[in-house]
Amino acid sequence: SQTIHQWPATLVQPVGSPLSLECTVEGTSNPNLYWYRQAAGRGLQLLFYSVGIGQISSEVPQNLSASRPQDRQFILSSKKLLLSDSGFYLCALSKSGRDEGYTFGSGTRLTVV
Amino acid sequence: QKEVEQDPGPLSVPEGAIVSLNCTYSNSAFQYFMWYRQYSRKGPELLMYTYSSGNKEDGRFTAQVDKSSKYISLFIRDSQPSDSATYLCAGGSQGNLIFGKGTKLSVKP
Repeated sequence: SQTIHQWPATLVQPVGSPLSLECTVEGTSNPNLYWYRQAAGRGLQLLFYSVGIGQISSEVPQNLSASRPQDRQFILSSKKLLLSDSGFYLCALSKSGRDEGYTFGSGTRLTVV
Repeated sequence: QKEVEQDPGPLSVPEGAIVSLNCTYSNSAFQYFMWYRQYSRKGPELLMYTYSSGNKEDGRFTAQVDKSSKYISLFIRDSQPSDSATYLCAGGSQGNLIFGKGTKLSVKP
């Protein structure tokens, strides 16, 4: 079965510091991959999605970026964190061409101080 | 207008109660609908999947979709404290899912 590994679970970073969150996938190939941010009262906000290696679509303009260097690896980055970047970051996958819903990782709670 | 609207709650019920969670959606192209359950500080997990209109039952959980009124429901029978979580509805088509904001449910023993 497909699984998503996401780490770290918790992260506290100072304003202006860089960020790198990694998500890796097992049990499936050529998945669609997603980065979501979840803030209290705001639900799931889609940040980026990728349908293949090197293919990234951005849903929300901000100081975050995403990369997909390998089929099963999805990375969320920032050069300089802002206080407003605090939140719960979730990686998710779906099977390309299949309407079976998304599988989510366990999430990273980021606090920018 | 948001594509999927969901009352955020919070909703508090006594143990054993029947819980009704609801969403409305605006996109007529949605073909499948899902309910996710999210425990605190965890990722959402798929709870129920329904394709097109109709009902689906799984144990204490029943999902209903009425495409004519664009209404999605989740019923929980004999609710338990372990059902305390945030429930997110979602509608989708062509592999894309749109989520509601989630309803926070608390079941009191």
